[in-house]
Amino acid sequence: KAGVTQTPRYLIKTRGQQVTLSCSPISGHRSVSWYQQTPGQGLQFLFEYFSETQRNKGNFPGRFSGRQFSNSRSEMNVSTLELGDSALYLCASSSGRIAGGGNEQFFGPGTRLTVL
Amino acid sequence: AQSVAQPEDQVNVAEGNPLTVKCTYSVSGNPYLFWYVQYPNRGLQFLLKYITGDNLVKGSYGFEAEFNKSQTSFHLKKPSALVSDSALYFCAVREPHGGSQGNLIFGKGTKLSVKP
Repeated sequence: KAGVTQTPRYLIKTRGQQVTLSCSPISGHRSVSWYQQTPGQGLQFLFEYFSETQRNKGNFPGRFSGRQFSNSRSEMNVSTLELGDSALYLCASSSGRIAGGGNEQFFGPGTRLTVL
Repeated sequence: AQSVAQPEDQVNVAEGNPLTVKCTYSVSGNPYLFWYVQYPNRGLQFLLKYITGDNLVKGSYGFEAEFNKSQTSFHLKKPSALVSDSALYFCAVREPHGGSQGNLIFGKGTKLSVKP
């Protein structure tokens, strides 16, 4: 099985622009989560989607949004970019059912976003 | 609120010696606990998890972890370290309430350095 793929791998934007990142989960996985990784804040949960519905959201401003398509692929969007949005954005997929939370997540390689 | 603490920013071990990477957690109820490893410029790789049952959990690459409920700890161990084990290790927790698969709370990470 192919792993989680993320595109693009690297991205350079300027302040005020917007960006869209894409994630394709492992085939058959319906849960997709996004995380932001920075040296200062570490790994922080952004949001989770399951069957095209946002099931959980972390403590990030409304500039951060996402969606999931019927084929489980997911996108996240950041509008009005700020310098502090520079980070590694990781996508993870899981095969878990709606009930329960014991399934491990499988992570993609991430998208490195640099905001100038 | 859930939290995870990894008290050591870095652990240095000689090859062939046993290693321990510490993790303590704070959650309400019984947690789901995970260890992930991150190599440079890569996403996170799942090592092992504790859901229920035997307190000693065995995982990938010879790693194991011991769940200690009274000490709220989930330390990662390996009997004999390899140079190739050098990486960044993350402990994560999720409260087992139905519905969400994705909102892992991560520790800050511990850099493991294994010297020949």
